[in-house]
Amino acid sequence: AQTVTQSQPEMSVQEAETVTLSCTYDTSENNYYLFWYKQPPSRQMILVIRQEAYKQQNATENRFSVNFQKAAKSFSLKISDSQLGDTAMYFCAFMNRDDKIIFGKGTRLHILP
Amino acid sequence: DADVTQTPRNRITKTGKRIMLECSQTKGHDRMYWYRQDPGLGLRLIYYSFDVKDINKGEISDGYSVSRQAQAKFSLSLESAIPNQTALYFCATTASGRLDEQFFGPGTRLTVL
Repeated sequence: AQTVTQSQPEMSVQEAETVTLSCTYDTSENNYYLFWYKQPPSRQMILVIRQEAYKQQNATENRFSVNFQKAAKSFSLKISDSQLGDTAMYFCAFMNRDDKIIFGKGTRLHILP
Repeated sequence: DADVTQTPRNRITKTGKRIMLECSQTKGHDRMYWYRQDPGLGLRLIYYSFDVKDINKGEISDGYSVSRQAQAKFSLSLESAIPNQTALYFCATTASGRLDEQFFGPGTRLTVL
């Protein structure tokens, strides 16, 4: 079965620091998509960044970047210059060839002033 | 106006009652999904539909049913609600040509007493 594991249930960092959220996944497929979603207290699910497995270049969106290690099945999210508005639950997710998304259990991130 | 809407946004009901959660989208997407979110468990797929005549069970379909009334509408029903169905429910949509983008509704908070 395909799984997504986020090993950090909760993290706290000071504002302006850099933080990395970990994610590993398990699949036998070669082509797939990986995502990081943000869920602030408003509970809206917001797509932060996505990565196509066949692309070797790591995706970047402003202060958010990923470290995609396909062989290791690792997909970590780095948030640079963290801001108070980054406080949220973050979910790592994997889309399989059946076009279903499998989510990790989430990491609750607190940005401290 | 929001692209994916859910009604109601919050609902409190009693054990044994029949409940319907509705989802509508204006994005013209053919694929729609229902998830539930529980604390510490992330999002889990209940049902999904790739077009009006295609309905599929997800990871946790027991106790739920769905109806795809039109391409834009996908309803989730709890025939006889029970307390462990208390959760946050999300509807999401995807276009078959853009499998890397999934758009979420704002969520429905359901409490079963």
